[in-house]
Amino acid sequence: AQSVTQLGSHVSVSEGALVLLRCNYSSSVPPYLFWYVQYPNQGLQLLLKYTSAATLVKGINDFEAEFKKSETSFHLTKPSAHMSDAAEYFCAVSDRGSGNTPLVFGKGTRLSVIA
Amino acid sequence: GAGVSQTPSNKVTEKGKYVELRCDPISGHTALYWYRQSLGQGPEFLIYFQGTGAADDSGLPNDRFFAVRPEGSVSTLKIQRTERGDSAVYLCASSLDGAGGPTDTQYFGPGTRLTVL
Repeated sequence: AQSVTQLGSHVSVSEGALVLLRCNYSSSVPPYLFWYVQYPNQGLQLLLKYTSAATLVKGINDFEAEFKKSETSFHLTKPSAHMSDAAEYFCAVSDRGSGNTPLVFGKGTRLSVIA
Repeated sequence: GAGVSQTPSNKVTEKGKYVELRCDPISGHTALYWYRQSLGQGPEFLIYFQGTGAADDSGLPNDRFFAVRPEGSVSTLKIQRTERGDSAVYLCASSLDGAGGPTDTQYFGPGTRLTVL
């Protein structure tokens, strides 16, 4: 069974600083991996996804994530934080092409951006 | 509409009552998912429809929970004899075909916040 671990329930960065949100996964087969963002009182919005085409995945709003099979990681980064990036971020995994498509989510990391 | 819509946005009910939560997927999407998000947690899978049929209902916590999608579009999640522990945000998502391929992305609605008093 797949699982996702997000290290750090809360991360705080200064505006303009690097954002790093950590995600490690466990899967018996090569997975698809996703990062979603959730703003207050809103649904989940897809930031980016890894489907094996390239290990470095670029998403919206200058976010990117790198798939590292040897580390079973899919950490999310952004070079320079904006105040508007303050939100809850979720990493998720699904089995690749197995027909088992429901996502398994981590517990989330709340990002705060300090002016 | 352009995205997944859910109604109501908020629902307050009393313990023991019956509730229905509605999801309107993106037009043309054959796969529909229900998730539940408790406070401070990530979404947890409840049930997945492919067309009109429930392809996977392994996430439903007990037989008080039931969902239907009679015409392969709108879905209703039904909760009988609600308990305080059912309080959560119920999220619906849809995807084009649910095949799990690289282009099969799940798009989420804004959720229904259910409060059981």
